[in-house]
Amino acid sequence: AQSVTQPDIHITVSEGASLELRCNYSYGATPYLFWYVQSPGQGLQLLLKYFSGDTLVQGIKGFEAEFKRSQSSFNLRKPSVHWSDAAEYFCAVVPYSSASKIIFGSGTRLSIRP
Amino acid sequence: EADIYQTPRYLVIGTGKKITLECSQTMGHDKMYWYQQDPGMELHLIHYSYGVNSTEKGDLSSESTVSRIRTEHFPLTLESARPSHTSQYLCASSGGLADYNEQFFGPGTRLTVL
Repeated sequence: AQSVTQPDIHITVSEGASLELRCNYSYGATPYLFWYVQSPGQGLQLLLKYFSGDTLVQGIKGFEAEFKRSQSSFNLRKPSVHWSDAAEYFCAVVPYSSASKIIFGSGTRLSIRP
Repeated sequence: EADIYQTPRYLVIGTGKKITLECSQTMGHDKMYWYQQDPGMELHLIHYSYGVNSTEKGDLSSESTVSRIRTEHFPLTLESARPSHTSQYLCASSGGLADYNEQFFGPGTRLTVL
């Protein structure tokens, strides 16, 4: 079945440490890819997106993500996290064959250790 | 900057009441969506619209109904609220010339039914 997988439900990292959140998808053609962030009690904010071209994408708040076709992955990274990065992170995919439906992963909750 | 608005942000009501959650966007987007999200959980699409007078049910069955009489407005109605409807409701929109279905989210309405 076609799906978006975020294998880590909850991750805790120390402030200043590096971060990588994983996202895998199972669609045949390269889909459009997104990462969103949700602070408690808020809506979702777009961090970055990939449609085509350079596979390393820069986003807001110092985040970046790399599309790896061979691994069907779109992992989110940040070299040094801040306490304000504590939030829920959602990977999302628009399948190439269905340009009107966005599929969200189940989310990864990020906690920051002081 | 264009935006997407949801009112009320918080609502506590008794069982059996009729409620309408408002959602408006100023971006001229043709597509609009309603998601239901329990705390710390994934998003579930409950309704969507691809334009005026067009509404469809989403992946998660919901007792709510929606209408799309104007492009910018997509209200959600519960005729008789029950405690099982307690959740956060997120509205989103997408569209524009380069439409890769990037969705823009409102801040959400947190509904509590007693």
